[in-house]
Amino acid sequence: AQTVTQSQPEMSVQEAETVTLSCTYDTSESNYYLFWYKQPPSRQMILVIRQEAYKQQNATENRFSVNFQKAAKSFSLKISDSQLGDTAMYFCAFSSSSNTGKLIFGQGTTLQVKP
Amino acid sequence: KAGVTQTPRYLIKTRGQQVTLSCSPISGHRSVSWYQQTPGQGLQFLFEYFSETQRNKGNFPGRFSGRQFSNSRSEMNVSTLELGDSALYLCASRRDEVPSEKLFFGSGTQLSVL
Repeated sequence: AQTVTQSQPEMSVQEAETVTLSCTYDTSESNYYLFWYKQPPSRQMILVIRQEAYKQQNATENRFSVNFQKAAKSFSLKISDSQLGDTAMYFCAFSSSSNTGKLIFGQGTTLQVKP
Repeated sequence: KAGVTQTPRYLIKTRGQQVTLSCSPISGHRSVSWYQQTPGQGLQFLFEYFSETQRNKGNFPGRFSGRQFSNSRSEMNVSTLELGDSALYLCASRRDEVPSEKLFFGSGTQLSVL
């Protein structure tokens, strides 16, 4: 069974600084997808970034980038130039390429950006 | 384009009752999935529907059921409610044309069981 682990329940960062959120996962599959979702107080889950396991290049989306280490089964999220609007809960998630309709989520990391 | 719409936003029920939650996906989206979010268990997959058929099912008791209509709208039903069913129930949809498509989530229905 696949599992996703986020070992940092809470983190804080000063506005304009950089922060990295950690995620590890376990799977025996060779092809899969990894995601970072953001859940602000409005509760709506918003996709931040996604990575396809067969792509070696790390995904980037503006201020958000990932460090994908397939052999180590690690998938960390780096937020550069943190903004107050980045304050939210962040979830790392996994889906198998054979079952993309099912996401397996980590426990989440609450990020607070301080002015 | 309207997003994923879940109704109602808040619901209060008592133990033993049953409840039905509704989800209207984004127009053109054919897959709808449901997740339960609790502080203790986190986000857990309930089930996924595609073309009115349940395609995936999570590890939940039979009290949790769902269905999808021909217009892709979906409902989720929980019978004989228990206190532990108190949670935020999230619905997500996608077109399901390619495997790497992202899910679009609604704002959820907050269910409180007293």
